[in-house]
Amino acid sequence: SQTIHQWPATLVQPVGSPLSLECTVEGTSNPNLYWYRQAAGRGLQLLFYSVGIGQISSEVPQNLSASRPQDRQFILSSKKLLLSDSGFYLCAWIIHRGGRDGYTFGSGTRLTVV
Amino acid sequence: DAKTTQPPSMDCAEGRAANLPCNHSTISGNEYVYWYRQIHSQGPQYIIHGLKNNETNEMASLIITEDRKSSTLILPHATLRDTAVYYCIVTMDNYGQNFVFGPGTRLSVLP
Repeated sequence: SQTIHQWPATLVQPVGSPLSLECTVEGTSNPNLYWYRQAAGRGLQLLFYSVGIGQISSEVPQNLSASRPQDRQFILSSKKLLLSDSGFYLCAWIIHRGGRDGYTFGSGTRLTVV
Repeated sequence: DAKTTQPPSMDCAEGRAANLPCNHSTISGNEYVYWYRQIHSQGPQYIIHGLKNNETNEMASLIITEDRKSSTLILPHATLRDTAVYYCIVTMDNYGQNFVFGPGTRLSVLP
């Protein structure tokens, strides 16, 4: 079956520390992968998406970066976290790429920068 | 400019139908209407989508007006587990930068 894994579930990091969030998918190959962020009480903001290994598109300029070292692995990183990086980070993919079905989201990582 | 307008919150009695409206008066002919929901502290969950015709699946029904300027998501028998934020999204693409999640409607199902 097709599943998406995201970890950790919660994270508390000091300002200026690095960040690495990982997302992996199972049960498919060559998925489109996405990173979204949700600030408290707000809608979702698309940060990055990837259509293949090494291919990253950035939607919002910021101090975050993304990488896709393997087909089913998507990583969100930062060298130095800011307080404004706090939020709920979600990895997602489209199960039927090219079709009309919707996203499947991971369970999310709640990041608090202190 | 927002592509969709939804009420910020709604209440519904358990066991009753929940009817969630969405206005999308500027929708173009090739744009779909998608609905997702997000239960607290979880990722959004795809519910249903449609273009022109009404749609029904195991989760909900989607009613789109003939002029396509508005739609209604119907949960036929709401349960407490349906308490969530419901997002209405209008887009040509079912992915990427054109898929914008707004503030949505917070539905509270009351016992």
